[in-house]
Amino acid sequence: KAGVTQTPRYLIKTRGQQVTLSCSPISGHRSVSWYQQTPGQGLQFLFEYFSETQRNKGNFPGRFSGRQFSNSRSEMNVSTLELGDSALYLCASSSYAGMNTEAFFGQGTRLTVV
Amino acid sequence: DQQVKQNSPSLSVQEGRISILNCDYTNSMFDYFLWYKKYPAEGPTFLISISSIKDKNEDGRFTVFLNKSAKHLSLHIVPSQPGDSAVYFCAASAIPGGGNKLTFGTGTQLKVEL
Repeated sequence: KAGVTQTPRYLIKTRGQQVTLSCSPISGHRSVSWYQQTPGQGLQFLFEYFSETQRNKGNFPGRFSGRQFSNSRSEMNVSTLELGDSALYLCASSSYAGMNTEAFFGQGTRLTVV
Repeated sequence: DQQVKQNSPSLSVQEGRISILNCDYTNSMFDYFLWYKKYPAEGPTFLISISSIKDKNEDGRFTVFLNKSAKHLSLHIVPSQPGDSAVYFCAASAIPGGGNKLTFGTGTQLKVEL
């Protein structure tokens, strides 16, 4: 079956702009999580959605937001972009909500803020 | 506060030998641990996981060992192959009963030499 799909793969934005990233999870998976990877901070958890509800949230400012649709697809939005938001943004999907399961990652979206 | 630590940023082994990657954690609430492999500009690929109720889990060439009292886990790869060269991340989860929020280590770059 198809894996996690993230679009776009690459994006260049200007400081102050906003950006929306998209993630389609593996078919049947209802949990979608977002992570930011930077050279200095490594992989950091942004938030998780399950059944269209945000279930967990990391320590990121309110400029970072997300949502999940009824088909489990998810979007992440970053407003008022800063240079430090340049990173690889990764989406992961998981199958079952009731216990720990493996998270499967997409290829990521490389965001560059200039 | 780095709750998951991979103290070796790099490791070099010869093809056919054993690779041992180490990971330490500080949060005693972590109850599920995973190892991921990552190539540049790609998303992490799930390798193997272990629940805190076990001390060992095997999958082919990969074995993960968990020492809860020492808050330490390790990934053994036997035999190592050139295709195993990548960055390996240890991750942990601390949400009993549901939720997928992974805390990642900083990664270990494994190089398998011919």
